[in-house]
Amino acid sequence: DTAVSQTPKYLVTQMGNDKSIKCEQNLGHDTMYWYKQDSKKFLKIMFSYNNKELIINETVPNRFSPKSPDKAHLNLHINSLELGDSAVYFCASSQLPRANTEAFFGQGTRLTVV
Amino acid sequence: AQSVAQPEDQVNVAEGNPLTVKCTYSVSGNPYLFWYVQYPNRGLQFLLKYITGDNLVKGSYGFEAEFNKSQTSFHLKKPSALVSDSALYFCAVRANSGYSTLTFGKGTMLLVSP
Repeated sequence: DTAVSQTPKYLVTQMGNDKSIKCEQNLGHDTMYWYKQDSKKFLKIMFSYNNKELIINETVPNRFSPKSPDKAHLNLHINSLELGDSAVYFCASSQLPRANTEAFFGQGTRLTVV
Repeated sequence: AQSVAQPEDQVNVAEGNPLTVKCTYSVSGNPYLFWYVQYPNRGLQFLLKYITGDNLVKGSYGFEAEFNKSQTSFHLKKPSALVSDSALYFCAVRANSGYSTLTFGKGTMLLVSP
């Protein structure tokens, strides 16, 4: 059973397109996240949701819009894709938004914008 | 602002030898510290965490880490390295307050030679 699953695993698209990445967790966690890993493997938080409510938005361009239809899902929609958006995007979840709980990560979505 | 430094881009060790992957952090107040491992084309897997209590924390796959408050360090260790330990290792810190984010270091590639 996959705890945190993302689809698609790979996504190649042209500049200017709009695309979505889906994420689902079956761990019963309350909090979900999106992270971006750049070409140098640096990981940076983008968004955090707790029980479908946005709690963290780390100065991400408004072309990125997360949507949480329920606490088990957190999808990421990206408008007007740019070359610089190419990266690996990781979804994660944790039991609570409290600081002492570890996060569980999906396998990532490698986005390539051409 | 909180931050994590992993001073080594790469650590090389022979199989059977002990390994250390270094991490230092900066955070306001007491830290919560984590180590994650990333295998090629995979998501991050949680290894261990320090919340409070004993400074020596034991985790998955025989890894352990030592919290040193005076040196603000949380080095990852293993007494005897395996070739299968070769991967990218991330140290992360979270402040002990509310909805704090998980901040990652830049990662250290561990290469274990046969």
